[in-house]
Amino acid sequence: QPVLAQPPSASGTPGQIVTISCSGTTSNIATNYVYWYQQLPEAAPKLLIYETDQRPSGVPDRFSGSKSGTSASLTISGLRSEDEADYYCAAWDDSLTAFYVFGSGTKVTVL
Amino acid sequence: EVQLVQSGGGSVQPGGSLRLSCVASGFTFSDHFMDWVRKTPGKGLEWVGRIRDQGNSYTTRYAASVKGRFSISRDDSKNLVYLQMNSLKTEDTAIYYCTRDSPTGPFDYWGQGTLVTVSS
Repeated sequence: QPVLAQPPSASGTPGQIVTISCSGTTSNIATNYVYWYQQLPEAAPKLLIYETDQRPSGVPDRFSGSKSGTSASLTISGLRSEDEADYYCAAWDDSLTAFYVFGSGTKVTVL
Repeated sequence: EVQLVQSGGGSVQPGGSLRLSCVASGFTFSDHFMDWVRKTPGKGLEWVGRIRDQGNSYTTRYAASVKGRFSISRDDSKNLVYLQMNSLKTEDTAIYYCTRDSPTGPFDYWGQGTLVTVSS
């Protein structure tokens, strides 16, 4: 089972703000960077946010990341039709089986 | 342009073996750790394993769910990374992705994915 909890779905109309949450624990999100990945239909995942709030070159600035305590968020400001995709969070986990753990994924639908 | 192109995969019976390959281009392959990540039906993404670079003695690490059954190797002269999967179980059915690690973090580039189906 995924270690990080995400809502299974989120939706909005074009131009709206959509926020996806990612809930973890003190062994992952609270103490380590968070990463976000976008998976468009029939495509491989793509890095969207690294080190919690940094965007790789080429990622539109309508995507932003943040975290507080054991939770992180991905915000899409000004939703566009091409943003309809699955979004996954990930973080390093300091537990005994230390390595990266993923969220369960959130399907974003543009209405 | 960074590219990771995968090959291999397919259908196999429980207990069987498969090898996946991933050839890299567009970057200095030998400088990077490489990982395999899989996406299982209804379960989302799961890290499978990692191989480090020569400077880190090509050490490997695996998820508990595949340890002892899967192994990762690499050939820096050919820009190739492999995932050898033995004693396959039905729960290993997934799309497997080859990924690259970088100083900015894990899985910054992904291969196209390859489907592995384990079924009798």
